[in-house]
Amino acid sequence: QVQLQESGPGLVKPSETLSLTCNVSGGSISPYYWSWIRQPPGRGLEWIGFLYFSGSTNYNPSLQSRVTMSLDTSKNQISLSLSSVTAADTAVYYCVRVRDSSILSHWGRGTLVTVSS
Amino acid sequence: QSVLTQAPSVSGAPGQRVTISCAGSDSNIGAGYDVHWYQQLPGTAPRLLIYGDTNRPSGVPDRFSASKSGTSASLAITGLQPEDEADYYCQSFDTRLRTVFGGGTTLTVL
Repeated sequence: QVQLQESGPGLVKPSETLSLTCNVSGGSISPYYWSWIRQPPGRGLEWIGFLYFSGSTNYNPSLQSRVTMSLDTSKNQISLSLSSVTAADTAVYYCVRVRDSSILSHWGRGTLVTVSS
Repeated sequence: QSVLTQAPSVSGAPGQRVTISCAGSDSNIGAGYDVHWYQQLPGTAPRLLIYGDTNRPSGVPDRFSASKSGTSASLAITGLQPEDEADYYCQSFDTRLRTVFGGGTTLTVL
């Protein structure tokens, strides 16, 4: 059974770049789509983007100018970078494996990132 | 403001049937895009509950069912149990905004 584990700094300063990594175990990155989803404390889910194992991406238009998703097949890892963060980017960030291009089938446990000085 | 609209909360007594609705528009559910449902138990990550409008992944009890009609979808839970208390989210695709979620519905088992 595939397992996803997010990791990265729990605290990021405003205007800096948030960087997270998702380690994939129990399965290969290919030939799947991958996604990052975030959830501000006490609020709903927000889709950040999709990343295909070929490297092609599809981002939420509201975040597109600040987001970069990438993968490292040698390490079986997915990465997320979000630049120029503000307090509004404070959220639990989930790494998700996608089935059939839209089904969020396997979720990591999530990691809380707080944006604060 | 979520693209898909869900009631913030719903409640029911053990054994009862409850439904959770997800209202969309012609640019998402009404355009024929699949609707998926997720259950988020307190303090945990969401998990896939229903995919492709009506399909249950293995391990999901048949007490959970879903349907879609026009620009809306709904999730039904029969024989309500205390462990069903959770947040429920619908998800679809929108031709303008890509992947979209409902705002979530909190189910309380009385």
